[in-house]
Amino acid sequence: GAVVSQHPSWVICKSGTSVKIECRSLDFQATTMFWYRQFPKQSLMLMATSNEGSKATYEQGVEKDKFLINHASLTLSTLTVTSAHPEDSSFYICSARDVGQGDPFGPGTRLTVT
Amino acid sequence: AQKITQTQPGMFVQEKEAVTLDCTYDTSDQSYGLFWYKQPSSGEMIFLIYQGSYDEQNATEGRYSLNFQKARKSANLVISASQLGDSAMYFCAIFGTGFQKLVFGTGTRLLVSP
Repeated sequence: GAVVSQHPSWVICKSGTSVKIECRSLDFQATTMFWYRQFPKQSLMLMATSNEGSKATYEQGVEKDKFLINHASLTLSTLTVTSAHPEDSSFYICSARDVGQGDPFGPGTRLTVT
Repeated sequence: AQKITQTQPGMFVQEKEAVTLDCTYDTSDQSYGLFWYKQPSSGEMIFLIYQGSYDEQNATEGRYSLNFQKARKSANLVISASQLGDSAMYFCAIFGTGFQKLVFGTGTRLLVSP
């Protein structure tokens, strides 16, 4: 089946620094990937849709200058949290559009900003 | 806009019994897709089952089946012969407008007791 990997699985960073999270489709090409954020005991909230070779589409209320998304190849999308603050601490999870396979998800990245 | 409602914040079931997790949806699209995902405490999102709006038969995948009632706009997940490993959060989701993005419900936490 379609597999999506995510790296790192967890990261701790200091306030004011930037963190990059990678999302890879391992055995298929994904022109579209999705980035979600999940707070404890809450549902997934879509942050943005990442399109290979074009600009990402951000959901309302998501700061595009703070959450930089790059989808440079058919198997890789990256999310960079710039100038991270403690309120950015969350679980970030990506998925990839694989028609007929139910949008496989990566294992997620737990970000803690101190 | 699409919307998913999961009215059961938590459900308890004994091992080997069947359990039904409720999901109702709202959409103005004629063609749409419904998904169920399982999220164990590790955080990964595991695709369970998919139902297309034009599928005449209810979807089944092993111990999972989807009770799809289109007129009532419900897509309940039935888990037969529950196992301890089924304890997790379960999310119902619908494809958004133009099949571009998934919209998730708030989830149901299932606890399976021995």
